[in-house]
Amino acid sequence: QVTLKESGPGILQPSQTLSLTCTFSGFSLSTYGMGVGWIRQPSGKGLEWLANIWWDDDKYYNPSLKNRLTISKDTSNNQAFLKITNVDTADTATYYCARTEGTHYFDYWGQGVMVTVSS
Amino acid sequence: DVVLTQTPSTLSATIGQSVSISCRSSQSLLDSAGNTYLYWYLQRPGQSPQLLIYLVSNLGSGVPNRFSGSGSGTDFTLKISGVEAEDLGVYYCMQATHAPPTFGGGTKLELK
Repeated sequence: QVTLKESGPGILQPSQTLSLTCTFSGFSLSTYGMGVGWIRQPSGKGLEWLANIWWDDDKYYNPSLKNRLTISKDTSNNQAFLKITNVDTADTATYYCARTEGTHYFDYWGQGVMVTVSS
Repeated sequence: DVVLTQTPSTLSATIGQSVSISCRSSQSLLDSAGNTYLYWYLQRPGQSPQLLIYLVSNLGSGVPNRFSGSGSGTDFTLKISGVEAEDLGVYYCMQATHAPPTFGGGTKLELK
């Protein structure tokens, strides 16, 4: 079955770089039409899409954060990564990774990882 | 960016009641190939979102058929025919026709 799990530092200070890892199973990011996206959710608030990476290494970013985001993948180890540079308190949120297969956007989600930015 | 406006923001229902949630888009979600990338998700308390409906009206894997989606262009509706206790949580619509993908603000379904 398809599973995804996010991991991250938990807490970091303003201006640092946030590095997140999504480790998945049950599918391959080398399969045609497959993608992994990152979405975040501040506590008690709504969902914000951040970035997607596709089987062919195409990458798409939310323009509102584009200069700060880098998405990448390690197909052989079934992992996807997201880096956010120069974080501040507004980046405090639960970060989710989710699979997309063709037109099935975000059909499987990880459990999420909480990230707190605080001095 | 495309703005998705969900109404109502909160919905109180009794078990067995049928309810509907509206999602209105600031632009048509029909693309040049004739596809409409409109999705519905449910986030139960303390859980990750789960896909309910894809491409306006198609049920996600394992989703009960009391859920249905409809609409076109800029107006879309999620209907629950007979609310059950496990349906409580926050419902989000999402569009992926126009970059970047955007989510509606959410509709909280609670017990009356």
